[in-house]
Amino acid sequence: AQSVTQLGSHVSVSEGALVLLRCNYSSSVPPYLFWYVQYPNQGLQLLLKYTSAATLVKGINGFEAEFKKSETSFHLTKPSAHMSDAAEYFCAVSDNFGNEKLTFGTGTRLTIIP
Amino acid sequence: DAGVTQSPTHLIKTRGQQVTLRCSPKSGHDTVSWYQQALGQGPQFIFQYYEEEERQRGNFPDRFSGHQYPNYSSELNVNALLLGDSALYLCASSLVSTAEYFGAGTRLSVL
Repeated sequence: AQSVTQLGSHVSVSEGALVLLRCNYSSSVPPYLFWYVQYPNQGLQLLLKYTSAATLVKGINGFEAEFKKSETSFHLTKPSAHMSDAAEYFCAVSDNFGNEKLTFGTGTRLTIIP
Repeated sequence: DAGVTQSPTHLIKTRGQQVTLRCSPKSGHDTVSWYQQALGQGPQFIFQYYEEEERQRGNFPDRFSGHQYPNYSSELNVNALLLGDSALYLCASSLVSTAEYFGAGTRLSVL
């Protein structure tokens, strides 16, 4: 069975500082990995996805993530935090790319300190 | 393009009742997936519909059922509601790829 673990249910960073949200995965097959963002009272928005092409994936809003097989990690980063980045972030895994079900982590709430 | 739309946005029911939630996929998308997101948790996969048939199902009881219409819109039905069914229900639509577009969800409260 596949799973993802998000380390840190709450992360606070100062505006302009580096954002690092951690995600480790467990999968018996090559995984497909995703990061989603959820703003209050809204649905999920896809930030970026890893589908076995480049290991460094660039997404929307200045976010990027690096797939590291040796560390079974897919951490999300952004060089400089903005107030509008405050939201809940979810890492997810599937065992195929093509209408396969997603298994989500429990989420990390990101707070930006002015 | 309206994206994925869900209705209603909020719903209050009592234990034992039945509920129907609706989802219209993004234009051109033919696959609809439903997820349950309990408070403070990540979404959990309920099931997926493609060509009007349930293609995949997560670990949810038979009280949860669905339907997809020829225009690709979908319904999620939950019978014999339990307090634990209180959650945000998310619909996602896709074409060929894994779910990229989610609706804003229906928040169901069971009293």
